[in-house]
Amino acid sequence: QITLKESGPTLVKATQTLTLTCTFSGFSLRSPAVGVGWIRQPPGKAPEWLALIYWDDDKRYSPSLKSRLTINKDSSKNQVVLTMTNMDPADTATYYCAYSFIVVDTNWFHPWGQGTLVTVSS
Amino acid sequence: SDELTQPPSASVSPGQTARITCSGDALSKQYAFWYQQKAGQAPVLIIYKDKERPSGIPERFSASKSGTTVTLTISGVQAEDGADYYCQSTDTSGTYYVFGSGTKVTVL
Repeated sequence: QITLKESGPTLVKATQTLTLTCTFSGFSLRSPAVGVGWIRQPPGKAPEWLALIYWDDDKRYSPSLKSRLTINKDSSKNQVVLTMTNMDPADTATYYCAYSFIVVDTNWFHPWGQGTLVTVSS
Repeated sequence: SDELTQPPSASVSPGQTARITCSGDALSKQYAFWYQQKAGQAPVLIIYKDKERPSGIPERFSASKSGTTVTLTISGVQAEDGADYYCQSTDTSGTYYVFGSGTKVTVL
């Protein structure tokens, strides 16, 4: 059974850097075709994809947020870490991590972690 | 444009059929995926690769694609199907991921 859980601060101040950790079980990030993504969802709004890291350390970022995001993995600890710099109140959202697996020519996000709400104060 | 457009809401009576559309240029080249999100919970995948259903998802959930529009169909809607539904795909190059604006389904 694949499970993921997000952890990190619930409150950050504007201009600070947010660091979130996704701790997972049930799979290895050393296995081919495996990836972990981060998605956020502002209150009452649609999800927004942020970043994805693959087993081979290939990293993908949202074009609109690329300059602020860094994703890394620690396969020995079964963790993926996302950092987002220069936080703004508009970044207030629930942040999710999710499992992704490449099947031939595509991949998707399933399952997701429970999410962690991050509030940015001004 | 890589945007995915959904109607904001849909209302359906129990036992009836709900159809939710998702439109976007990239859909003519890329797969579509559908997620169900109930209040206070994380999204759950209910359709992948345009029309495939993961194990454990009821058969009343189905999907189809025509050109740049994909349609999620819920046949014989049940009260428990009241939720937000989001489509997802990628940009035309398949490099990054895009979510639709979401449709809130209300079961009357």
